[in-house]
Amino acid sequence: AQKVTQAQTEISVVEKEDVTLDCVYETRDTTYYLFWYKQPPSGELVFLIRRNSFDEQNEISGRYSWNFQKSTSSFNFTITASQVVDSAVYFCALNRDDKIIFGKGTRLHILP
Amino acid sequence: EAGVAQSPRYKIIEKRQSVAFWCNPISGHATLYWYQQILGQGPKLLIQFQNNGVVDDSQLPKDRFSAERLKGVDSTLKIQPAKLEDSAVYLCASSLGLAGGFNEQFFGPGTRLTVL
Repeated sequence: AQKVTQAQTEISVVEKEDVTLDCVYETRDTTYYLFWYKQPPSGELVFLIRRNSFDEQNEISGRYSWNFQKSTSSFNFTITASQVVDSAVYFCALNRDDKIIFGKGTRLHILP
Repeated sequence: EAGVAQSPRYKIIEKRQSVAFWCNPISGHATLYWYQQILGQGPKLLIQFQNNGVVDDSQLPKDRFSAERLKGVDSTLKIQPAKLEDSAVYLCASSLGLAGGFNEQFFGPGTRLTVL
């Protein structure tokens, strides 16, 4: 069965703090893709990153970084020096055969 | 390049009424998806079209939900009759749908349905 678990339902941090959003996935496939999406209050899903199962290199994009570890089936997302504009719901997702399975999301509050 | 368009953006109806949502995918995208996102949850796939054929509708409540994609371009999702638990955001997405490789999905802004 394919499954994505985001154990953190809601997180609040003060602006400029670092925050890590956890994601654990389950799949029996050897080829798959992992994603992170951001959903601001406006409701649109904003694509952040895609990772395929053969590429375990960590990635950094500005204040965002991602840690993919196949050994623990985790794909965690860290925001460094958080800003109020980072407040949103973040979804981790798994793609196989052109179907996306989303986690339940983590609601992130960045407090000024 | 224009993105995925959806209308209406918001809809409020009473239970047992009917409602329809419209989606216009990105030009040239063969695959179209409808997702339901209930408050506090991640989007859940309802139906997937490849051109005008259904690829997967296993999670579509067929007793009340229907969808079509005539001519393989625009799509409509209908609920008849609506129940309170249908209150959700309905997201449309599209992708190129090319065989043998990864196809990125592009999401529309969604339609927020409230059933009273």
